[in-house]
Amino acid sequence: DTAVSQTPKYLVTQMGNDKSIKCEQNLGHDTMYWYKQDSKKFLKIMFSYNNKELIINETVPNRFSPKSPDKAHLNLHINSLELGDSAVYFCASSRLAGVRSYEQYFGPGTRLTVT
Amino acid sequence: EDQVTQSPEALRLQEGESSSLNCSYTVSGLRGLFWYRQDPGKGPEFLFTLYSAGEEKEKERLKATLTKKESFLHITAPKPEDSATYLCAVALNSGYSTLTFGKGTMLLVSP
Repeated sequence: DTAVSQTPKYLVTQMGNDKSIKCEQNLGHDTMYWYKQDSKKFLKIMFSYNNKELIINETVPNRFSPKSPDKAHLNLHINSLELGDSAVYFCASSRLAGVRSYEQYFGPGTRLTVT
Repeated sequence: EDQVTQSPEALRLQEGESSSLNCSYTVSGLRGLFWYRQDPGKGPEFLFTLYSAGEEKEKERLKATLTKKESFLHITAPKPEDSATYLCAVALNSGYSTLTFGKGTMLLVSP
């Protein structure tokens, strides 16, 4: 069973298009995240949702909008894609609280290429 | 500004050649330090959590240690399957469960 899954794994699109990436976790976790890993492999938090509520929104352009229909799903919609959006996007999840709340489990990533 | 620095950026070892990876941090209020392993084309995989100076954790050939300024990931008698990028991350006392990651050390173990 896949704990955190993402679709699609690869996404190639042109500048100006709108695209979505889906994420699902079956770990029963309350908190989900989106990370961006750039070409230099630097992994940076974008958003965090806790029980469908946005709790962290780092400095990310308004073109990026996360949506959480339920606590097992966190989707990422990107409007008006730009070349600089090309990266690997990772979804992750963790428990809500307690000593293990920082142990985050990552999905396989979605490689987005904007041409 | 809170920072996490990993060294070296890349490390090449022969099978059986033990070594250590370093993660140094300058943060105010450390809640925990985390090690992850990332294989090419995959998401990071959780390895260890360290909460206080002096703490050690072990898993197979890996041993993580923590001081007040840095953490080491010791690899004893590595095998080719240990080849991966090892990421260090810190969690701060303030805010929610956010992790600040270092840039990683790419380890290659040759047979």
